[in-house]
Amino acid sequence: QVQLQESGPGLVRPSETLSLTCAVSGDFLSHYYWSWIRQPPGKGLEWIGYISHSGNPNYNPSLKSRFSLSIDTSKKQFSLTLNFVTAADTAFYYCARTTSGWTSNFDYWGRGLLVTVSS
Amino acid sequence: IVLTQSPGALSLSPGERATLSCRASQNINSNYLAWYQQKPGQAPRLLMYGSSNRATGIPDRFSGSGSGRDFTLTISRVEPEDFAVYYCQHYGDSPLFTFGPGTTVDIK
Repeated sequence: QVQLQESGPGLVRPSETLSLTCAVSGDFLSHYYWSWIRQPPGKGLEWIGYISHSGNPNYNPSLKSRFSLSIDTSKKQFSLTLNFVTAADTAFYYCARTTSGWTSNFDYWGRGLLVTVSS
Repeated sequence: IVLTQSPGALSLSPGERATLSCRASQNINSNYLAWYQQKPGQAPRLLMYGSSNRATGIPDRFSGSGSGRDFTLTISRVEPEDFAVYYCQHYGDSPLFTFGPGTTVDIK
């Protein structure tokens, strides 16, 4: 069974860099895209971007260029880096497997990690 | 493309029928419309993909339909475990993925 698990700090200071990792088990990273999605507490879902198994990213343009995604297929994990965090980046961060083809959606999700930006 | 969901909240008793709407700001390909269920403290779960296809393990009381701009998620008879927030999602151009604001289904 496919499982995803986010890891990283729960608290980050403003203007610092946030780094999160998603470990994948029960599946190979090929044939899918791997996304990050965030959700401020009590609010809706926002797609941040995805990365392919070959390392090609695609980002949500509304989030500008503070995000960076990477992948390590040998370790079966992919990562998110967010520079210059602010309080507006406080959210649950989810990693998700992303299907492609005749349809495209998020079929497996991690449990999520709450990241709080505060001094 | 902007997704709008209605109603914002729906209060139902177990056994009642739930009809949730998702409207796109322009016509979309129904293959690229999905629905998710999110319970408190949990990650979203894929319910429907390609507008009308149930994801693995989703009971048949859930159904999806629609075309063009208007899509519907129906729960034929709401069970206690169905009280949650439901999101529609579209795969498109830029950004590639957008979500609706969600509909909360709670107990009357």
